[in-house]
Amino acid sequence: QKEVEQNSGPLSVPEGAIASLNCTYSDRVSQSFFWYRQYSGKSPELIMSIYSNGDKEDGRFTAQLNKASQYVSLLIRDSQPSDSATYLCAVNIDGKEGSTLGRLYFGRGTQLTVWP
Amino acid sequence: EAQVTQNPRYLITVTGKKLTVTCSQNMNHEYMSWYRQDPGLGLRQIYYSMNVEVTDKGDVPEGYKVSRKEKRNFPLILESPSPNQTSLYFCASSLSVGAMKTQYFGPGTRLLVL
Repeated sequence: QKEVEQNSGPLSVPEGAIASLNCTYSDRVSQSFFWYRQYSGKSPELIMSIYSNGDKEDGRFTAQLNKASQYVSLLIRDSQPSDSATYLCAVNIDGKEGSTLGRLYFGRGTQLTVWP
Repeated sequence: EAQVTQNPRYLITVTGKKLTVTCSQNMNHEYMSWYRQDPGLGLRQIYYSMNVEVTDKGDVPEGYKVSRKEKRNFPLILESPSPNQTSLYFCASSLSVGAMKTQYFGPGTRLLVL
């Protein structure tokens, strides 16, 4: 089983809509959860991090974490064409033999297009 | 300016010719990591280092070596590159492994192995 799975997309929403991006992760002792945005030809940039169950809001972005369901999501409210990018979910998973605190697992990404 | 730099940015080489991709950060970060990104496979971690002289394998370490002799530098070495190592490589750093929320990525190195 893959460590981190994302809805494959591509996802296309109109400007002003809510974009919903989903991510599930394997059954490990997961520590930290991240959402990165990557524009075409650029390096990833962190937009949200979340560590405990519930919602975390930052501007138009809301990350939601449900550890019991092994699920983390990102909502983008009032989507803008500038939000068009690939969104990467990343999970810092521990629980394997030895210390793996430095391991970071990425999903394959979901490509989002926001059309005017 | 706080940054992670990688060199070279683009490289074309031939199978078997040893190469090194350098990574340097100016933020006094303890944690550094290398990733490769391939279409359809996403970002996969190659090696990481939690501090000087402390390195560990990520998901796809085969065919790569790293060293961390000083805090600011974390070079990626391909002793005998093969075509399946053609990829986009990213170096990243953060203050510590517990501070991954501030992980900075370098601009990437695009490698083609013929």
